[in-house]
Amino acid sequence: EAGVVQSPRYKIIEKKQPVAFWCNPISGHNTLYWYLQNLGQGPELLIRYENEEAVDDSQLPKDRFSAERLKGVDSTLKIQPAELGDSAVYLCASSSDSSSTDTQYFGPGTRLTVL
Amino acid sequence: AQSVTQPDIHITVSEGASLELRCNYSYGATPYLFWYVQSPGQGLQLLLKYFSGDTLVQGIKGFEAEFKRSQSSFNLRKPSVHWSDAAEYFCAVVPDGGYNKLIFGAGTRLAVHP
Repeated sequence: EAGVVQSPRYKIIEKKQPVAFWCNPISGHNTLYWYLQNLGQGPELLIRYENEEAVDDSQLPKDRFSAERLKGVDSTLKIQPAELGDSAVYLCASSSDSSSTDTQYFGPGTRLTVL
Repeated sequence: AQSVTQPDIHITVSEGASLELRCNYSYGATPYLFWYVQSPGQGLQLLLKYFSGDTLVQGIKGFEAEFKRSQSSFNLRKPSVHWSDAAEYFCAVVPDGGYNKLIFGAGTRLAVHP
């Protein structure tokens, strides 16, 4: 069974440019998460989807970040415009549902460098 | 403030030596507790988890962890480290009563000397 797929794996852009990250969760997983991992830190939740609905986006900086999961399967996270401080690893995870005991499975992440 | 603390940023051990990685949390009730490992270029992989019951939990790759309520700790252990264990280890909690929202510590980077 395929795990969580993310693309691209690496992205280098100049500041003020837009960038998008794509995530395909494990088949059948209803819950999808986007995390931000800064260098030397643990991941921090940006947004959580239940099917196509964003049910927790309280940590998403909505002035420049947006996300969608239109058909309740794959998802896209966008930054426009990117700033130097956005350089980080963006992780996607999925779980079968959002119960507290359900295991989250993580993708390999997209490493973003903003110059 | 509610937090997850991993006091050791870097740890170096010799191959074959025992290992203990520390994790403390500051949540009022007993949260659900997890240890994840992240190898270079890889996603986080779940090593083990604790919800209730026996306070000594066995995980994959020969790891175990012990929950100690009195110390608010959930330390990860391995009796004999292999070179392939070199990675970053993250302790995480789901606060009691919350949905599946993982709160991570800052991680401990493990280096293994031959």
